[in-house]
Amino acid sequence: QQQVKQSPQSLIVQKGGISIINCAYENTAFDYFPWYQQFPGKGPALLIAIRPDVSEKKEGRFTISFNKSAKQFSLHIMDSQPGDSATYFCAASTMNTGNQFYFGTGTSLTVIP
Amino acid sequence: DAGVIQSPRHEVTEMGQEVTLRCKPISGHDYLFWYRQTMMRGLELLIYFNNNVPIDDSGMPEDRFSAKMPNASFSTLKIQPSEPRDSAVYFCASSLGGDNTEAFFGQGTRLTVV
Repeated sequence: QQQVKQSPQSLIVQKGGISIINCAYENTAFDYFPWYQQFPGKGPALLIAIRPDVSEKKEGRFTISFNKSAKQFSLHIMDSQPGDSATYFCAASTMNTGNQFYFGTGTSLTVIP
Repeated sequence: DAGVIQSPRHEVTEMGQEVTLRCKPISGHDYLFWYRQTMMRGLELLIYFNNNVPIDDSGMPEDRFSAKMPNASFSTLKIQPSEPRDSAVYFCASSLGGDNTEAFFGQGTRLTVV
């Protein structure tokens, strides 16, 4: 059973455009929602994360929007660059389960020049 | 710190052979996770440890898979006997736990079973 559902599976965006990746979850006990970025041949690395007490978090060109009532959160990449081309994973966890992470299935982002 | 270190980076083995993957977590991290990544299923959590104790191994696919953490600086994931469907990239990750829940991943071991 997929605890976190992610879409789209792949995304192609023009340089300078906005990339949007969406995730949804069911378990209301989740209290930590990170996004990980993975380049080919590398392990995933934390990009940005949010807790459910805020509706938005911004770090540079990356923004997480969080809708607690809808149990959805999304990653927005503003002014997308070719160097942003990677696979992005959303995830969810809760300290009550020992920080066990549940990952989405990933989105392959390609930013074309 | 050098980060999470996994070895080997690549492993090619014949079906039926035993395979052992190794992981050195970041010093001071209380949690260690083993993940398997495939195109079909994405990142799957296999097992995780807290202070060297296995907490949840419900993701381990079969009895052919076993994991140990004999001390805070070393963990192994063993597959015996290996099968072609075990081919995947296996990641080890560690985290501090508590309020700081960022997981740091190793570079992974690409396993090919022929």
